[in-house]
Amino acid sequence: GAVVSQHPSRVICKSGTSVKIECRSLDFQATTMFWYRQFPKQSLMLMATSNEGSKATYEQGVEKDKFLINHASLTLSTLTVTSAHPEDSSFYICSADIGGETQYFGPGTRLLVL
Amino acid sequence: DAKTTQPPSMDCAEGRAANLPCNHSTISGNEYVYWYRQIHSQGPQYIIHGLKNNETNEMASLIITEDRKSSTLILPHATLRDTAVYYCIVRVHPAGTALIFGKGTTLSVSS
Repeated sequence: GAVVSQHPSRVICKSGTSVKIECRSLDFQATTMFWYRQFPKQSLMLMATSNEGSKATYEQGVEKDKFLINHASLTLSTLTVTSAHPEDSSFYICSADIGGETQYFGPGTRLLVL
Repeated sequence: DAKTTQPPSMDCAEGRAANLPCNHSTISGNEYVYWYRQIHSQGPQYIIHGLKNNETNEMASLIITEDRKSSTLILPHATLRDTAVYYCIVRVHPAGTALIFGKGTTLSVSS
């Protein structure tokens, strides 16, 4: 299957700092990418839909000023968690849409905010 | 909200077939049935999808009932590495439509 990478795989940061997570489609172009968050023992929750060259669409309850998404190219989307707090600690996962038929997921980024 | 219902957990002996059921009684005519799985601390892995015909690939088979209100994912010879949470999702195809995850079924394969 298609490969989606994420960097970093895990990050620890201090409260109040910002963290950037990259999501790349390695062997295909993705017009649309999605960002999910997963808390322990829970399912994936959709945060936002990222479209190349346009503003992201955020799900209800997700603060767009806190979770900045940039999809500057067809192979890269970034999620920046601004002024991170301990409650933002979670597993962040991106996925890339291939022609509307199948989505492939990255390996995830584990964020721990101290 | 997820439009599917799955049992929270299932057990399977190694080497036996694992049959994972999914109920999607409100599925629309243009919605596909997708199956993904998530092994602990990893991103979800695509398994298979279908519209109304049964489908098979190197990983699994998907059996969809004629009325499309339910489906079964079959792992023909389960191994310990198949232990994971399996998600059944219904989704339309147009690009830009997100996958909405329910709680899934935790499959435990034991020797």
